Amino acid sequence: QSVLTQPPSASGTPGQRVTISCSGGRSNIGNNRVNWYQQLPGTAPKLLIYSNNQWPSGVPDRFAGSKSGTSASLAISGLQSEDEADYYCATWDDSLNGYVFGTGTKVTVL
Amino acid sequence: EVQLVESGGGLVQPGGSLRLSCAASGFSFSGYYMTWVRQAPGKGLQWVANIKEDGSIIHYLDSVKGRFTISRDNAKNSLYLQMNSLRDEDTAVYYCAKEGRMSDWGQGTLVTVSS
Repeated sequence: QSVLTQPPSASGTPGQRVTISCSGGRSNIGNNRVNWYQQLPGTAPKLLIYSNNQWPSGVPDRFAGSKSGTSASLAISGLQSEDEADYYCATWDDSLNGYVFGTGTKVTVL
Repeated sequence: EVQLVESGGGLVQPGGSLRLSCAASGFSFSGYYMTWVRQAPGKGLQWVANIKEDGSIIHYLDSVKGRFTISRDNAKNSLYLQMNSLRDEDTAVYYCAKEGRMSDWGQGTLVTVSS
């Protein structure tokens, strides 16, 4: 059972804005930076956002990360069909002395 | 271009052993933390272990401590995961990833633990 909680699903129509939450605690999100990963069907995960709100090279700024206290969020603006994927938050946990992933959110484009 | 290629997966009986390898290219391997992550069929991602650039610091998921050993050979640009006393619940695709924040991933190798 993951220590980071995400909604199991989220959806929107093309062009809409979708937000995914990631809830943790003081030992993980509260004390450390959050990364987000996108996993398209049948493929390996890809780093989408690092250090709460930074974009790796090649990631469009339609994806935006934020963090407040013990929670983080990923917003997808201008939703596109190719954004249909599973999204995971992740961060270091000081109590577990290990990295933890969120439960994952499946985004569907209606 | 960063490339990570895992190998060594397969079918193994409970209690058995496997050694996974990850061949890295396209970056200065010795300058980065490396990480193993797994994903059970139809499930989410689970971090397994990571190792510092020189191998001096290693962290493990609690459920694999004492059974799995992560190591690296910087001369060969390779990362390894020795898995002993395998259990049914270790069945997963195992990915290697560059850096602690997992900036690049391999395609994964499937490990199936079953009798």
